[in-house]
Amino acid sequence: GEDVEQSLFLSVREGDSSVINCTYTDSSSTYLYWYKQEPGAGLQLLTYIFSNMDMKQDQRLTVLLNKKDKHLSLRIADTQTGDSAIYFCAERGYSSASKIIFGSGTRLSIRP
Amino acid sequence: NAGVTQTPKFQVLKTGQSMTLQCAQDMNHEYMSWYRQDPGMGLRLIHYSVGAGITDQGEVPNGYNVSRSTTEDFPLRLLSAAPSQTSVYFCASTPLGTGELFFGEGSRLTVL
Repeated sequence: GEDVEQSLFLSVREGDSSVINCTYTDSSSTYLYWYKQEPGAGLQLLTYIFSNMDMKQDQRLTVLLNKKDKHLSLRIADTQTGDSAIYFCAERGYSSASKIIFGSGTRLSIRP
Repeated sequence: NAGVTQTPKFQVLKTGQSMTLQCAQDMNHEYMSWYRQDPGMGLRLIHYSVGAGITDQGEVPNGYNVSRSTTEDFPLRLLSAAPSQTSVYFCASTPLGTGELFFGEGSRLTVL
């Protein structure tokens, strides 16, 4: 079945770039997503990329997709303390828009 | 705008008790889904629905039932609660198109 994997933790210095990586197994994925969860809150969509794209930029966020290797990354430029959160990678297969599978989440912590 | 509303926010059950987590959305989204979130395991899909009268199983459906009699409502039922069902439960709705998930605030369930 579908599987999405991420490393659990990432620590970066304030002002540096953060790069969060994700791998997935479903070759029929149509959309790939990055969600952010702040403590005690639900998830909110940060950005998404359609499977026929290889890059998407949105202000401080850059998403790179390597469809051949089934690898997705999220780069956050100039990381700030407000970026501390858990970041989830998710993928949506071709068969159903409602069946979206999430990774385990990467907890990003910021060092001063 | 209410968005996705989940009730209750907190619940404590004894093993073997039954209960229903309520979820309602007012955005006229076709797709709805239930996830559970456990530490280090991210979000796992329990059940999902692509429209009124249609439901399907996700990654971890055992011990849970759902129904979708209207577009707005998607309740999750635990027929005989077990300690392994202690978790935070999130309901989400999704419009047609990109598949962005709109999450409720979560329901924290403890089974003793």
